[in-house]
Amino acid sequence: QQQVKQSPQSLIVQKGGISIINCAYENTAFDYFPWYQQFPGKGPALLIAIRPDVSEKKEGRFTISFNKSAKQFSLHIMDSQPGDSATYFCAASKGSNDYKLSFGAGTTVTVRA
Amino acid sequence: DGGITQSPKYLFRKEGQNVTLSCEQNLNHDAMYWYRQDPGQGLRLIYYSQIVNDFQKGDIAEGYSVSREKKESFPLTVTSAQKNPTAFYLCASVQRGPNTEAFFGQGTRLTVV
Repeated sequence: QQQVKQSPQSLIVQKGGISIINCAYENTAFDYFPWYQQFPGKGPALLIAIRPDVSEKKEGRFTISFNKSAKQFSLHIMDSQPGDSATYFCAASKGSNDYKLSFGAGTTVTVRA
Repeated sequence: DGGITQSPKYLFRKEGQNVTLSCEQNLNHDAMYWYRQDPGQGLRLIYYSQIVNDFQKGDIAEGYSVSREKKESFPLTVTSAQKNPTAFYLCASVQRGPNTEAFFGQGTRLTVV
C-alpha cells in the first residue's frame, strides 16, 4: 500500500496564483520529507526538503509546511509561473541507514498564462 | 559532468523477450535504485542496492532482475515473466548521509509491441 498519500491528482492555477499540494503519511519513523519536480519525459529533480524538527521551510517561491502531530506536509508554490507547470511528488524516508524513498502518487500542476 | 545516464531512452520489447536497461552513475554514490512510473501511480520501487554485490527487492520486484557488480553500474533486466512491462523506468542514486537526496536519470520508456 502507498505509504505517502498525495492530493490533489491535478490542479490548474492562473499565473501569479498559489498552488497547494498536500501529503499525509502514517509511518512515524519517517524523518525526511523531500519534494521532487518532474517535467515530461525527464527524471524527477529535488526541489526542496524538510525534517520534522521544523514546521516550515522556504526556498524562493516554494514553501514546505510540516505538521508533525497531524502527520501531514504540504508544498506551496507562490506567484505560480508557466514554467512551474510540471508533476510534483512528495516523498518520505527514514534516513539514517535506510535511504529508500516512498513517493506519493504525484500532482500535475498546470499554470495558465 | 557528474550524473546518472540511462540508456536507451526508448526501448521496444516483443512478447516473451528479455530486455536490459542500462544505468550508470559517476557520482560515487553507494546506493542505487530502480523505479517504475505509471500514470497516476507515482514511483514504485523495483529493486535497490546499497552496496556492490548486494541488492534487495522493492515493492514490485516480480518479473525483474538486477545485478550490481560495479559501484557505477546497476542494470535492470525486464524478463518475460513481467506481464505488463510497458512503463517509464527511472534509475536513481543516493549519497549516504542525513538527507536522502536521490539523483535521477532521464528515464527509459519501455513499450511492448
